[in-house]
Amino acid sequence: AQKVTQAQTEISVVEKEDVTLDCVYETRDTTYYLFWYKQPPSGELVFLIRRNSFDEQNEISGRYSWNFQKSTSSFNFTITASQVVDSAVYFCALSEARRGAQKLVFGQGTRLTINP
Amino acid sequence: EAGVAQSPRYKIIEKRQSVAFWCNPISGHATLYWYQQILGQGPKLLIQFQNNGVVDDSQLPKDRFSAERLKGVDSTLKIQPAKLEDSAVYLCASSLDFQGSTEAFFGQGTRLTVV
Repeated sequence: AQKVTQAQTEISVVEKEDVTLDCVYETRDTTYYLFWYKQPPSGELVFLIRRNSFDEQNEISGRYSWNFQKSTSSFNFTITASQVVDSAVYFCALSEARRGAQKLVFGQGTRLTINP
Repeated sequence: EAGVAQSPRYKIIEKRQSVAFWCNPISGHATLYWYQQILGQGPKLLIQFQNNGVVDDSQLPKDRFSAERLKGVDSTLKIQPAKLEDSAVYLCASSLDFQGSTEAFFGQGTRLTVV
């Protein structure tokens, strides 16, 4: 069965520090997609990135970067020079496709607090 | 572009009462999802619609939960009768299609408290 583990329940850092959120997944599928979502206090889940299982290139978007390693089944997320506005709960998710249906399996989430 | 709209934002009911949530997806999105997010956990898929047909409802407690998506647009999720363990945030999401590569866009959710 598919499973996503985010071992860090809460992280607290001081503004401008770099922080890495860990994500480990399990799947027997050869084709799958990995996502990161941000959930601010307002409640909605905001899409950050999608990565497919055939593309192991790391990606950088501004202060955000993602490291995908199939060998360790990990998809980690790093925020460089963190800011208070980055405070939120971050979810890693795995997409499986069964009978034409996409199903997002989420991790437990990591609550990130950036202190001024 | 308007996002996924949900109402109400908050609801408090007593156990054994019934409750309904409404969702309006992004225009043109064929796929609609309902997720349940219990405090401190990640969202869990309850049901997925493709247009007005159910694609996956394997984790929906069908003895008390029901959902419909009439005309392939808006959707309602109902709980009858509610139990204390149904206290959670109910998130609606939509996507262009059901392909694994397509990101889902989420509404702000309805926070349900059962007392």
